[in-house]
Amino acid sequence: QITLKESGPTLVKPTQTLTLTCTFSGFSLSTSGVGVGWIRQPPGKALEWLALIYWNDDKRYSPSLKSRLTITKDTSKNQVVLTMTNMDPVDTATYYCAHHNGRTFYFDYWGQGTLVTVSS
Amino acid sequence: QSALTQPASVSGSPGQSITISCTGTSSDVGSYNLVSWYQQHPGKAPKLMIYEGSKRPSGVSNRFSGSKSGNTASLTISGLQAEDEADYYCCSYAGSSTNVVFGGGTKLTVL
Repeated sequence: QITLKESGPTLVKPTQTLTLTCTFSGFSLSTSGVGVGWIRQPPGKALEWLALIYWNDDKRYSPSLKSRLTITKDTSKNQVVLTMTNMDPVDTATYYCAHHNGRTFYFDYWGQGTLVTVSS
Repeated sequence: QSALTQPASVSGSPGQSITISCTGTSSDVGSYNLVSWYQQHPGKAPKLMIYEGSKRPSGVSNRFSGSKSGNTASLTISGLQAEDEADYYCCSYAGSSTNVVFGGGTKLTVL
């Protein structure tokens, strides 16, 4: 049974750096073809893909946010960490992590999401 | 503005069929058979409904089907049920530079 759960601060101030952790179980991020992605959703708005990391440490970023994002993995802890610098109120959103099938490119298991509010 | 274009809303009566379109470009939907569809109920995480354009994960009702023509992918829901009322998002691989693009989402109302 695959599960994922996001954790991190619920409130950050503008210009601060956000660090989110995705802790997962039921799969290994050392298995060929497996990835973990981050997707966010501002209140009442659409899903937006942020970043992906694969079993081989290949990392992919949204072109529009690439300069602000870093994704890393700790295979031994079954965790993926996303950092986003220079947070702004427009970054207020629910942030999801999801298991990604890198072969046929879909997100098949999602965490519950964590709401991050950016406000002074 | 999302990379993939979906209608903001669609509606249908119970038992009817509806289709949600997802229009991209020759750089994403048109070039790859890697479109996925997600259902999202209010306050819940998205759920995978269709992958590789037309395949259903185990446990997803066969009332859900997907197809593609040119740069446009489509999700069809037949025999509409009240529980189908939700937001639906398409997603596509978009090449090694852009990687992942989502649609703007479609709100399905079951009348």
